[in-house]
Amino acid sequence: SQQGEEDPQALSIQEGENATMNCSYKTSINNLQWYRQNSGRGLVHLILIRSNEREKHSGRLRVTLDTSKKSSSLLITASRAADTASYFCATDLNTGGFKTIFGAGTRLFVKA
Amino acid sequence: DAGVIQSPRHEVTEMGQEVTLRCKPISGHDYLFWYRQTMMRGLELLIYFNNNVPIDDSGMPEDRFSAKMPNASFSTLKIQPSEPRDSAVYFCASSTRGRGGSPLHFGNGTRLTVT
Repeated sequence: SQQGEEDPQALSIQEGENATMNCSYKTSINNLQWYRQNSGRGLVHLILIRSNEREKHSGRLRVTLDTSKKSSSLLITASRAADTASYFCATDLNTGGFKTIFGAGTRLFVKA
Repeated sequence: DAGVIQSPRHEVTEMGQEVTLRCKPISGHDYLFWYRQTMMRGLELLIYFNNNVPIDDSGMPEDRFSAKMPNASFSTLKIQPSEPRDSAVYFCASSTRGRGGSPLHFGNGTRLTVT
């Protein structure tokens, strides 16, 4: 079963625009991570936000976490054609183990 | 850093055959994960190991699936006998887990096609 659900499922924007993807999850977490996957490749880690953090930045990426709403958002500013990929949120479940469960992903297409 | 290495990259086999997927994690990583990705079900966690010991195999779909980690630098995922519904991309990932979590490093996957 999937822990996280991304919204939207697909997003198409023009180069230079911002892209926002949302993730909702169901159970208590230790942290939430965002990954990127280019076609035919493995997932690449982008950013991790811990359960006691509310916002984190990395370059053109901004991630927020609202544990009261069990939701997170990933903002990519000034998007580029090279940002075209699928983006996944993943949660480390707070069960004493280190199970990392992925959502269904958002497919982002950035038009040049 | 060579990253997580998976082999083969592509595997085509006939229903009923045995399939073995291989993974070499990043040196020093003490967690290893096997995931399966399909369009219908997304990324599913099959099993994960800590220090070569299987910790949670609740995601393994059936007894036809088995995974081993004989040492810190090698793991296998075996399907016997294979079925067409096993067709998917299988990913291996490794990590070194500290408090607060740490990222998974993925291999490029094995695309399995069972005809």
